[in-house]
Amino acid sequence: DTAVSQTPKYLVTQMGNDKSIKCEQNLGHDTMYWYKQDSKKFLKIMFSYNNKELIINETVPNRFSPKSPDKAHLNLHINSLELGDSAVYFCASTLRDRPIYGYTFGSGTRLTVV
Amino acid sequence: QKEVEQNSGPLSVPEGAIASLNCTYSDRGSQSFFWYRQYSGKSPELIMSIYSNGDKEDGRFTAQLNKASQYVSLLIRDSQPSDSATYLCAVNRGNTPLVFGKGTRLSVIA
Repeated sequence: DTAVSQTPKYLVTQMGNDKSIKCEQNLGHDTMYWYKQDSKKFLKIMFSYNNKELIINETVPNRFSPKSPDKAHLNLHINSLELGDSAVYFCASTLRDRPIYGYTFGSGTRLTVV
Repeated sequence: QKEVEQNSGPLSVPEGAIASLNCTYSDRGSQSFFWYRQYSGKSPELIMSIYSNGDKEDGRFTAQLNKASQYVSLLIRDSQPSDSATYLCAVNRGNTPLVFGKGTRLSVIA
């Protein structure tokens, strides 16, 4: 059973298109995140949700819109894709009151904008 | 701006040797410290977490924390070729999201 699953694994699309990435966790965690990993492997926080409420929104263009229908799901919709959006996007989850457990990451979505 | 600094490497060690990976952080209020391993094309996986000054051992891995020096390290004893990966240091304060370093690439030579 996959703990944190992301779909799709690969996404190739043209500039200007709109795309979505989905994330689901079956760990019973209450907090979920989107991280972006660039070509130099730098993982940067984008959004943080706790019990489907947005609690952290880092400096991310408003073309990126996360949605959490429930605490087990966190989706990311990206409008008007740009070349610079090409990266690997990771979903992660944790229990807010159990920081010692760290985060569990999904397998990532490699987005390529051409 | 909270920062986590790591030497990008590559750090090359012979098989069986001790690999030493280092990390410094800028936020003196940081409370939780983590080491993640990331193989090429894969997602980060948690190796160790540490909260108190001193050493914490788990199998071949030892994490060391010195809050006064704002320094955390990871030692890998008896390094194996399968340990070759990028090692990411991450810190946070309370419930804030983890801040990651850029990672150190480790290469264990057989």
